[in-house]
Amino acid sequence: QSALTQPASVSGSLGQSITISCTGTNSDLGGYNFVSWYQQHPGKAPKLIIFDVSNRASGVPDRFSASKSGNTASLTLSGLQPEDEADYYCSSYRSSGTRVFGGGTKVTVL
Amino acid sequence: EVHLLESGGGLVQPGGSLGLSCAASGFAFSSFDMTWVRQAPGKGLEWVSSISFSGASTYYADSVKGRFTISRDNSNKTVQLHMSSLRVDDTAIYYCVTGGVVVDPSTWGQGTLVTVSS
Repeated sequence: QSALTQPASVSGSLGQSITISCTGTNSDLGGYNFVSWYQQHPGKAPKLIIFDVSNRASGVPDRFSASKSGNTASLTLSGLQPEDEADYYCSSYRSSGTRVFGGGTKVTVL
Repeated sequence: EVHLLESGGGLVQPGGSLGLSCAASGFAFSSFDMTWVRQAPGKGLEWVSSISFSGASTYYADSVKGRFTISRDNSNKTVQLHMSSLRVDDTAIYYCVTGGVVVDPSTWGQGTLVTVSS
């Protein structure tokens, strides 16, 4: 079961915007809207930030937004803050009756 | 407040067995699918297994199919993961998560570390 494809790292300056991509196939991202994004700080459990492609979880700032086009989902962080420095993972339902995660993207705030 | 507390992790030899448990509180447990996700040291997240709210349906990653068994006890609000024929590459933090295969996993426990080593 191959993982969804994410860039290993993305960086941006304080206050700027960055976008993290997540690429799958018609059998997962492209075929369903059960796509979520998670933020994980070092030594901590992951935290849900986006569910059902573009819905922010409770308490998540509106600086976080997400979308999907074809087989690619995207997470945008606007107005980068120091606390946004973390690992980010996408996830999707897959038609084989499983769930798959992306490999993760390390976000660095310069 | 939703709270998940995993237990049962530890050191086990290759080929051995181990059982994990997750105690849930703060939500209607019997209405929620539940999932186990693991993370090997320094690596990404890997979906392991999910179980439907009733326990009638179970799902497994190919990497654990035939070796791991997920179950739940709705009366005691717990979900279990029984792991057998453990391999070195099963070494990971195992997280209990609300949600299932279709419903996006949402609330995560703090995890329990399983180390498979001789």
